[in-house]
Amino acid sequence: GQQLNQSPQSMFIQEGEDVSMNCTSSSIFNTWLWYKQDPGEGPVLLIALYKAGELTSNGRLTAQFGITRKDSFLNISASIPSDVGIYFCAARFNNDMRFGAGTRLTVKP
Amino acid sequence: EAQVTQNPRYLITVTGKKLTVTCSQNMNHEYMSWYRQDPGLGLRQIYYSMNVEVTDKGDVPEGYKVSRKEKRNFPLILESPSPNQTSLYFCASSWDYNTGELFFGEGSRLTVL
Repeated sequence: GQQLNQSPQSMFIQEGEDVSMNCTSSSIFNTWLWYKQDPGEGPVLLIALYKAGELTSNGRLTAQFGITRKDSFLNISASIPSDVGIYFCAARFNNDMRFGAGTRLTVKP
Repeated sequence: EAQVTQNPRYLITVTGKKLTVTCSQNMNHEYMSWYRQDPGLGLRQIYYSMNVEVTDKGDVPEGYKVSRKEKRNFPLILESPSPNQTSLYFCASSWDYNTGELFFGEGSRLTVL
């Protein structure tokens, strides 16, 4: 099936910096979601987007559902050490749900 | 507390020795699914279940079986494990699959020697 192309694969940033990651696909989706996985834990939902063009915030996190329905981005502002983890994008179209390979974020204090 | 519980969390086994990874959720969710996570590949769906007695294959079902006899439980069965099934496995559930919003268990790390 179609894959989600998530980039970057990894990021090393200083505490306080802003972060941006994105996900693209050659296919359209009805829903885009962003999950975070802490070390040794399962992924946890951060943000869900249901409408093309939708821009949603959750604290320091902001995500957008691309207008073409083929992409999404996640921004994290003013990063803190607990932002460390793997961020996954996911997208759904009917019964088909896909995940990106993840962006591993490291935050240096 | 709402949760998805998997057991065992860690397991080392040998090729061919049947094993079952259990998954239980206490949220009365109809939808449940299994994923495997491998480096560089993200999460790939193995099987999913829309409701009791209804299961369907995901992207990588080969070598796995599932059953859904009760709403809360969705065990993953490896009849004859092989080394390429060494992976981190996650069970997930959802109150409404159409939302795409999944609750994940903490994961089960399986090593097949």
